[in-house]
Amino acid sequence: EDQVTQSPEALRLQEGESSSLNCSYTVSGLRGLFWYRQDPGKGPEFLFTLYSAGEEKEKERLKATLTKKESFLHITAPKPEDSATYLCAVQATGRNTPLVFGKGTRLSVIA
Amino acid sequence: ETGVTQTPRHLVMGMTNKKSLKCEQHLGHNAMYWYKQSAKKPLELMFVYNFKEQTENNSVPSRFSPECPNSSHLFLHLHTLQPEDSALYLCASGRMNTEAFFGQGTRLTVV
Repeated sequence: EDQVTQSPEALRLQEGESSSLNCSYTVSGLRGLFWYRQDPGKGPEFLFTLYSAGEEKEKERLKATLTKKESFLHITAPKPEDSATYLCAVQATGRNTPLVFGKGTRLSVIA
Repeated sequence: ETGVTQTPRHLVMGMTNKKSLKCEQHLGHNAMYWYKQSAKKPLELMFVYNFKEQTENNSVPSRFSPECPNSSHLFLHLHTLQPEDSALYLCASGRMNTEAFFGQGTRLTVV
């Protein structure tokens, strides 16, 4: 069974204090790993897709990396507006396979 | 805005009521999804439609009934729900086997 575990469950950072969120996964064969950002009461907002180990993608203060067992979302010099829940999901190879989500990491950035 | 619109944003219904959630996308995507998001739980996939054909029903109780009249519209018909069905219901669309783009969700409260 495909599984996604995210850690930590919650993270509190001072503004400018860089850190990383972890997404560990087990999947029969990886088609893609996805990162989303979700603000309270809203739907998840797509950030990145990673397809193979060693791949990296960046967007503003966020950088996502991928290995064969886990992905990291690095946040450099975060600002209060980066506060949100960050969700990780994996999709297995095969026909019409759904995204399997983790529980998310709730990030709070304090000014 | 992701291009996926859900209505209503909030819904309160009694256990004997019948109501419907609506989702609309004009992004040219061929796949549409219903997810349920409850507190402290990962997003749970409920239904998948690919080119209007249902390809996944994730053991969802029959009190939830999906309808996909065309590739741009998706409905979730609700009847005789239970209080534990209270949650955020999210619609998403995408090209099959790629990232999904979510709507803002419907916050459902069953009283």
